[in-house]
Amino acid sequence: KAGVTQTPRYLIKTRGQQVTLSCSPISGHRSVSWYQQTPGQGLQFLFEYFSETQRNKGNFPGRFSGRQFSNSRSEMNVSTLELGDSALYLCASSLVGGAPYEQYFGPGTRLTVT
Amino acid sequence: SQQGEEDPQALSIQEGENATMNCSYKTSINNLQWYRQNSGRGLVHLILIRSNEREKHSGRLRVTLDTSKKSSSLLITASRAADTASYFCATVGAGGTSYGKLTFGQGTILTVHP
Repeated sequence: KAGVTQTPRYLIKTRGQQVTLSCSPISGHRSVSWYQQTPGQGLQFLFEYFSETQRNKGNFPGRFSGRQFSNSRSEMNVSTLELGDSALYLCASSLVGGAPYEQYFGPGTRLTVT
Repeated sequence: SQQGEEDPQALSIQEGENATMNCSYKTSINNLQWYRQNSGRGLVHLILIRSNEREKHSGRLRVTLDTSKKSSSLLITASRAADTASYFCATVGAGGTSYGKLTFGQGTILTVHP
């Protein structure tokens, strides 16, 4: 089976712009979670989608949003980018997302905001 | 916010030696998992231990869990240079609201010298 794929792998944006990141889960996985990784805050949970519905959300401002399509592919959007949004954004998929579960991570999208 | 602390923050050993990493967490858990990350790339799942288990083995990995102390340890035996990576513990909270959410520790950077 193909692993989790994320596009693009690298992105450079200017403060104030918006960005959309894409994630394709492993075939058959219906749960997609998103994480932000920064040197200062570490790995932080953004949100989780299952069957096109957001089931869980972390403590991030409303500028961070996401969605999931009927084929389980997911996108996350960050509007009005700030310098502090520079990070590695990771998505992960699992079969159904209910505990216990292990997650399979993509390679990440490295976002740099200038 | 991070679940807890990992100890040590960095560990440097020679090939063939054992590496032990510790993780503490704050809230009740359904399970605890360990992940490996190479050079800021995606995370790879290593092992999962449920809250009612005390020890688990997988190849050269041994994980212990002490729920009374809210702590876990990961032992890698006979380390290899290829084990050089960052290691993270991650918890899944108890209760029914943890869909798709892993709460990560700060990580331990392991360097194995040939």
